[in-house]
Amino acid sequence: KNQVEQSPQSLIILEGKNCTLQCNYTVSPFSNLRWYKQDTGRGPVSLTIMTFSENTKSNGRYTATLDADTKQSSLHITASQLSDSASYICVVTSFNAGNMLTFGGGTRLMVKP
Amino acid sequence: NAGVTQTPKFQVLKTGQSMTLQCAQDMNHEYMSWYRQDPGMGLRLIHYSVGAGITDQGEVPNGYNVSRSTTEDFPLRLLSAAPSQTSVYFCARTGQISLRANVLTFGAGSRLTVL
Repeated sequence: KNQVEQSPQSLIILEGKNCTLQCNYTVSPFSNLRWYKQDTGRGPVSLTIMTFSENTKSNGRYTATLDADTKQSSLHITASQLSDSASYICVVTSFNAGNMLTFGGGTRLMVKP
Repeated sequence: NAGVTQTPKFQVLKTGQSMTLQCAQDMNHEYMSWYRQDPGMGLRLIHYSVGAGITDQGEVPNGYNVSRSTTEDFPLRLLSAAPSQTSVYFCARTGQISLRANVLTFGAGSRLTVL
């Protein structure tokens, strides 16, 4: 069964600090991996997409990495801001006829002043 | 969440009542879907549609019906609400049937409580 597991479930950091969120998956065959940011009371919004051949991709202060061999991805947030407080969801697409998406449970990040 | 409008934002139902969650998009996109989000769990696909007149079941379709009479609208119907359907529901759209390269755009969500 395809699964996506994220860690930690929740995280509290001080404003200005860096943090790294983890995503492990067992989805096969792998097509791509996306990180979404979900603010409280809103729908998820895509941050970045990683395909099989990509190891690192940045979007401002967000940097995603992918290790397709170990089936792990990370999202690194640099110089955190209060507006980074949100849930971060890892979503893996399976390369099959249904192009099925498997969602992780998310990491809830709180940035405190 | 521009481009996907969900109504209502909040709804309280009694067990056994029926209701419809509305979803409308303004981008003429073919692919629309409904997810539910429960605490500690990933978003789970309820139903999806790859175009007007075409719908299919997702991972957790029981207790829900959908229809797609137009490209713009994709309503989700709860036939006889149960407490297990208490959740936050998200509608999403994407411009391509293939999800490999494209991104889902989500609505703001509808929070449903079934007493």
